[in-house]
Amino acid sequence: DGGITQSPKYLFRKEGQNVTLSCEQNLNHDAMYWYRQDPGQGLRLIYYSQIVNDFQKGDIAEGYSVSREKKESFPLTVTSAQKNPTAFYLCASSSSGMDSPLHFGNGTRLTVT
Amino acid sequence: QKEVEQNSGPLSVPEGAIASLNCTYSDRGSQSFFWYRQYSGKSPELIMSIYSNGDKEDGRFTAQLNKASQYVSLLIRDSQPSDSATYLCAVNTRDDKIIFGKGTRLHILP
Repeated sequence: DGGITQSPKYLFRKEGQNVTLSCEQNLNHDAMYWYRQDPGQGLRLIYYSQIVNDFQKGDIAEGYSVSREKKESFPLTVTSAQKNPTAFYLCASSSSGMDSPLHFGNGTRLTVT
Repeated sequence: QKEVEQNSGPLSVPEGAIASLNCTYSDRGSQSFFWYRQYSGKSPELIMSIYSNGDKEDGRFTAQLNKASQYVSLLIRDSQPSDSATYLCAVNTRDDKIIFGKGTRLHILP
């Protein structure tokens, strides 16, 4: 079955450590996205990529980094510079074109203490 | 900054009644509009997409779009307890970003 796989489901880290969240899709989608969701809040866009080897900052990119070396993979690194990293992180993908809806992975819940 | 606005709720609707969810957006260049449902602790799932002014129906769900008023809504007929969730409005902006509102919590009263 085609889909988006995020791993791990739960992740715990100590403050000051960088951590990388995995996102893999086998839907052959060109575009991939990372969102952050805090309790009771909507989704805020961190980074997005429309094509391999290219990506753009979203609304809250500070303290995060991404790479897009392969079409199917779009890992997100939460760096120690991110001041409030504890959140629910969602990866999504879509076909190219403005009318394409997002397909979401199951999310990674990151807790930093 | 481009925005999508939703009433956070909670919106309480009796079982069997019509639930009406509303959303406004700021980017006049937006062409694609989506409604997602999100259960607590889960990822969002697509309910409806709409691209043209007017109504679009799919089962118990109807999406309505008015680009002149920059307004999109979702109607849920014959509301069921399983419809209790947070409903997220999403809009595709001219720079190919998809941005979300904060969501409306819907509670269907048995």
